[in-house]
Amino acid sequence: GAVVSQHPSWVICKSGTSVKIECRSLDFQATTMFWYRQFPKQSLMLMATSNEGSKATYEQGVEKDKFLINHASLTLSTLTVTSAHPEDSSFYICSARDRSRGTYEQYFGPGTRLTVT
Amino acid sequence: QKEVEQDPGPLSVPEGAIVSLNCTYSNSAFQYFMWYRQYSRKGPELLMYTYSSGNKEDGRFTAQVDKSSKYISLFIRDSQPSDSATYLCAMNVISGTYKYIFGTGTRLKVLA
Repeated sequence: GAVVSQHPSWVICKSGTSVKIECRSLDFQATTMFWYRQFPKQSLMLMATSNEGSKATYEQGVEKDKFLINHASLTLSTLTVTSAHPEDSSFYICSARDRSRGTYEQYFGPGTRLTVT
Repeated sequence: QKEVEQDPGPLSVPEGAIVSLNCTYSNSAFQYFMWYRQYSRKGPELLMYTYSSGNKEDGRFTAQVDKSSKYISLFIRDSQPSDSATYLCAMNVISGTYKYIFGTGTRLKVLA
């Protein structure tokens, strides 16, 4: 149980284009989903927290107009990187909290590697 | 000062060794402590979590929390080459945000 998937697992795009990454909870309903970014040999940095049906809360320094987050249902959240630039190349990981468990564990997806050329 | 400090390693040990991984933290409000394992280019996998001071054991893994010293540890007994990964500690203030603060991760290599 508690499986989170991400799609795509790897994407290459040209500078200036937009890329959408999906995060799905496959066997549970996720009240809250989190988006992280991880640069090589560095830890996970929280970008934003999204709750189903409401606007995402962004961490300080994260541009909300550049990283659009939509949490339209209890099983799906999307991150759109708009007007991507090479410095946005990174490993993007989502996680989800299972509302039925009443605990604080986050279950992580396998990550999406974004390369902007 | 970072809220959570973790030695990035790398840490190399021979197969069968006992591994000790540690994190220190500064925020006394942290109440929930996790250890994640992350293989290269994969998402983190939850290994252990605990709410309170003391030890918690699960197979070859033991998590230890000392709130008075603001120090947590993960011990791996009889380490295997398959344990080679990055180990991340994470902490949470139990509040409405459920936000985790991660350590930088320690890269572990177990040599066959």
